[in-house]
Amino acid sequence: AQRVTQPEKLLSVFKGAPVELKCNYSYSGSPELFWYVQYSRQRLQLLLRHISRESIKGFTADLNKGETSFHLKKPFAQEEDSAMYYCAPYGTYKYIFGTGTRLKVLA
Amino acid sequence: EAQVTQNPRYLITVTGKKLTVTCSQNMNHEYMSWYRQDPGLGLRQIYYSMNVEVTDKGDVPEGYKVSRKEKRNFPLILESPSPNQTSLYFCASSSGYNEQFFGPGTRLTVL
Repeated sequence: AQRVTQPEKLLSVFKGAPVELKCNYSYSGSPELFWYVQYSRQRLQLLLRHISRESIKGFTADLNKGETSFHLKKPFAQEEDSAMYYCAPYGTYKYIFGTGTRLKVLA
Repeated sequence: EAQVTQNPRYLITVTGKKLTVTCSQNMNHEYMSWYRQDPGLGLRQIYYSMNVEVTDKGDVPEGYKVSRKEKRNFPLILESPSPNQTSLYFCASSSGYNEQFFGPGTRLTVL
């Protein structure tokens, strides 16, 4: 079955600390991998996608095909990073979203 | 401005009263989708459409209908809403394997 696991529902870190949001997926074929972010009272928006290999707002994500993981990382968290983050593999017209991780960056 | 719009943004209704939530995009995207967002469950796909007149079920289609008569519009229909359909609904569109653009959301309460 196709599934995305984001094990942490809530992750709290202090400003300036490193942050890693975990994502493990089970998806047939070779899906394209995305991270979406939802700031308070806003719509979801793309944070980054694997194929572009860009660093957005200081975030990067490494694809590990062997472990089928796509963890999101940032070396120094900022207060404005506080948001809900969703990992989402996509293939053959179907997006599967994880349950999300709420990141709180404390001052 | 490229965008996805949804209407209404907020809706309170009663059990059994048919309702439609509209979704429209101006980016000429082939792919459109509906999701519901519930606490602790994340986003779950209800229905999606690959193009005009082509739709398919997502993970939680029960109690919902959709249609895609025009490329830009993808309405979500609840023929007989029930309280367990109280949720936050998002419409999204995309082109190919590219990012999805999301609407602002519709908060639905079924009493």
